[in-house]
Amino acid sequence: DQQVKQNSPSLSVQEGRISILNCDYTNSMFDYFLWYKKYPAEGPTFLISISSIKDKNEDGRFTVFLNKSAKHLSLHIVPSQPGDSAVYFCAASAFKGGSEKLVFGKGTKLTVNP
Amino acid sequence: KAGVTQTPRYLIKTRGQQVTLSCSPISGHRSVSWYQQTPGQGLQFLFEYFSETQRNKGNFPGRFSGRQFSNSRSEMNVSTLELGDSALYLCASSWGLGGVVAKNIQYFGAGTRLSVL
Repeated sequence: DQQVKQNSPSLSVQEGRISILNCDYTNSMFDYFLWYKKYPAEGPTFLISISSIKDKNEDGRFTVFLNKSAKHLSLHIVPSQPGDSAVYFCAASAFKGGSEKLVFGKGTKLTVNP
Repeated sequence: KAGVTQTPRYLIKTRGQQVTLSCSPISGHRSVSWYQQTPGQGLQFLFEYFSETQRNKGNFPGRFSGRQFSNSRSEMNVSTLELGDSALYLCASSWGLGGVVAKNIQYFGAGTRLSVL
């Protein structure tokens, strides 16, 4: 049972345009959501996060939106740059019993074309 | 500040052998988590250690085990290797004290690429 889903395996956008990556989750106990970026041969790098008590968090060109009623979050990158080309993973966690584990989606490969 | 260090970066083993992977967390971090990444399954949680105790465990067979030392360094062991164990194994460290408000972020190492022949 996949609790975190990224339904688009890949996305291609033009440099300067907006990139929108989507993520859906099924577990209503999740209370914290994160986006990681991964380049080949490197580990995932933390990008941005959002708590369930918020519906938007912004950091420079990156904005994450959370719609709890729809169990949906999205990552907006504006403007997109060629260096943003990477695999983006959505992750969710539920604080339980003093510990956390991240549940990841399968990732979306973003390609930003010059 | 040094990041999460995983050794070795690459490993080739044959079926039936066992393997030990090592992870040194960011200085001051007390929690270490391990993940398996495969092309078909994405990142799958293996287990988490905090202050030398396993605090959380994923749905992997008992062939997968780990431990954490007093300096927070962690090792992961896989016994009786199978072809399906070929994957990228990622270690992540964090402060380890989470909560709804004061969430702690997990920082990943570059991983160990294990190939089982």
